[in-house]
Amino acid sequence: DGGITQSPKYLFRKEGQNVTLSCEQNLNHDAMYWYRQDPGQGLRLIYYSQIVNDFQKGDIAEGYSVSREKKESFPLTVTSAQKNPTAFYLCASSAGINYGYTFGSGTRLTVV
Amino acid sequence: QKEVEQDPGPLSVPEGAIVSLNCTYSNSAFQYFMWYRQYSRKGPELLMYTYSSGNKEDGRFTAQVDKSSKYISLFIRDSQPSDSATYLCAMPGGGADGLTFGKGTHLIIQP
Repeated sequence: DGGITQSPKYLFRKEGQNVTLSCEQNLNHDAMYWYRQDPGQGLRLIYYSQIVNDFQKGDIAEGYSVSREKKESFPLTVTSAQKNPTAFYLCASSAGINYGYTFGSGTRLTVV
Repeated sequence: QKEVEQDPGPLSVPEGAIVSLNCTYSNSAFQYFMWYRQYSRKGPELLMYTYSSGNKEDGRFTAQVDKSSKYISLFIRDSQPSDSATYLCAMPGGGADGLTFGKGTHLIIQP
């Protein structure tokens, strides 16, 4: 079955540590997105990519980095520069601008 | 003014009631309108997708778009406890950054 897989489901980060969240899709979608979700804040766009080897900053890119070396994969690194990383992170993919998204099941990141 | 406004709730109704969820938007260029359902600690899933004005029905769900008022609605008939979730409206603005989301309405169906 086609879908989008995020891993791990839960992740714990120590202060000063970089962590990488995985996102893989087998839907043959060109576009992929990373969102952060906090209670009462809705979905906030971190980074997006419309094509392999190209990505753009979203509304809250500071402290995050991404790569898009393969069409299927769009990993997100939460760097030590992100001062408040505890949140629920969602990856999504889409077939095009006016199409809906398919979301992954999310990664809950907690700073310990 | 935010592009998409949605009452966060919570909205609590008894089982079997008709539920009305709403969003208003400011960008008249929006042509496509979507509703997503998100259960706790899960990713959102696409529930309804409509184009331009009018109604679209799918089982117990009806999506309604009024472009003249910049107002969209999602109606749920014969609501069930399993409908308890957060419902997000979304619209593609035509830009490469994808969908514009409302903040979501938290719906609780009481058994």
